[in-house]
Amino acid sequence: DIQMTQSPSTLSASVGDRVTITCRASQSTNNWLAWYQQEPGKAPKLLIYEASILETGVPSRFSGSGSGTEFTLTISSLQPEDLATYYCQQYYQYPETFGQGTKVDI
Amino acid sequence: EVQLVESGGGLVQPGRSLRLSCTASGFTFGDYGVTWVRQAPGKGLEWVGLIRNRIFGETTEFAASVKGRFTMSRDNSRGIAYLEMNSLNTEDTALYYCTRSRTLVGAKYYFDNWGQGTLVTVSS
Repeated sequence: DIQMTQSPSTLSASVGDRVTITCRASQSTNNWLAWYQQEPGKAPKLLIYEASILETGVPSRFSGSGSGTEFTLTISSLQPEDLATYYCQQYYQYPETFGQGTKVDI
Repeated sequence: EVQLVESGGGLVQPGRSLRLSCTASGFTFGDYGVTWVRQAPGKGLEWVGLIRNRIFGETTEFAASVKGRFTMSRDNSRGIAYLEMNSLNTEDTALYYCTRSRTLVGAKYYFDNWGQGTLVTVSS
């Protein structure tokens, strides 16, 4: 199985800050990587797929980058509504696997 | 508007069975895969399994933790997917989400819409 490791596990930031979350895979995912946002008490929501493609309707302050085994999710200017836990997920190989999540506090 | 509504969760004793349903609307159901993802209380997301869309033969994949105990099926005419869970144990306790699973290339599925989940509690 491909292990996905996110860092940090939690982060505290202020409104307007640039925030970066890292996701490392134990082997190449060939860029078949997605990012999801889960607000408290809600279902996850797709932000990014294929490592860097922004899902329709997602604010442009979110961006994804990386390739192979190392990927990042960046929020260019943190907003209060971005309080959430963020998960990366590889869909290159079965079983598909998620990172453990990064909780963003504001 | 795309909607996914899970149902069928509840309290069940260890060793028993339960069938979850995922009722979809707002899109052509047969054109998409359906993946089930679960989340144990206070924990992260765990991929449970996938049933592919019709052009990929509606075949299934499962996590090792549920393989042989869980099955999936779908009724494209009614827009419903099913997760049949047998031999349940306490480690299956979780909120179960169904997702609309989209593929652009090579049957690589990611999850572009999620239901609100249905809670399964396995306890004696």
